[in-house]
Amino acid sequence: DAGVIQSPRHEVTEMGQEVTLRCKPISGHNSLFWYRQTMMRGLELLIYFNNNVPIDDSGMPEDRFSAKMPNASFSTLKIQPSEPRDSAVYFCASSWEGREKLFFGSGTQLSVL
Amino acid sequence: DAKTTQPNSMESNEEEPVHLPCNHSTISGTDYIHWYRQLPSQGPEYVIHGLTSNVNNRMASLAIAEDRKSSTLILHRATLRDAAVYYCILRDVEAGNNRKLIWGLGTSLAVNP
Repeated sequence: DAGVIQSPRHEVTEMGQEVTLRCKPISGHNSLFWYRQTMMRGLELLIYFNNNVPIDDSGMPEDRFSAKMPNASFSTLKIQPSEPRDSAVYFCASSWEGREKLFFGSGTQLSVL
Repeated sequence: DAKTTQPNSMESNEEEPVHLPCNHSTISGTDYIHWYRQLPSQGPEYVIHGLTSNVNNRMASLAIAEDRKSSTLILHRATLRDAAVYYCILRDVEAGNNRKLIWGLGTSLAVNP
């Protein structure tokens, strides 16, 4: 199993640009989570999906952030327009509903200049 | 959501046991106790979880106090590869579809050769 796959691994962009982060969950998993990690705030849950449906997006910072899961094998997190304070590591995780174990990807290091 | 308290950092010597404490005095009867760890430049990795009884797996042991207000993650023989940030997290299994894990800042474990 290849695990949770995120791309890109690193993203450097300028303020105001659109950023799209991608995630492929583990095959067969039906829950998907997007997290953001910073030194100051640690790991924060942004949104999670169950069976491709957004269940809780209360962690999404503001309207500049949006997430989609068009099918069971793909999800995107988009920031438009990006700002320097969005600089962080963004993690995607997946699990099988009913199981307690989350599997995390390697993350996307985002730098907004 | 019930919160956890962990020491900011701990230090151990290679091949010695490590006991990582976690306080969760406001834990509810339906909260599972989870432990994850995060190695440098990687996503978090599941370690172990439990509800009331002590748990063992190939990675570690979880000792849960009788009143469940604290727990201890035990690494039986620390290796250099165990140097990581260890997170103790609670999850309410009766929260319906709420799969939120509330992450603190964890304990940074250093292992000396």
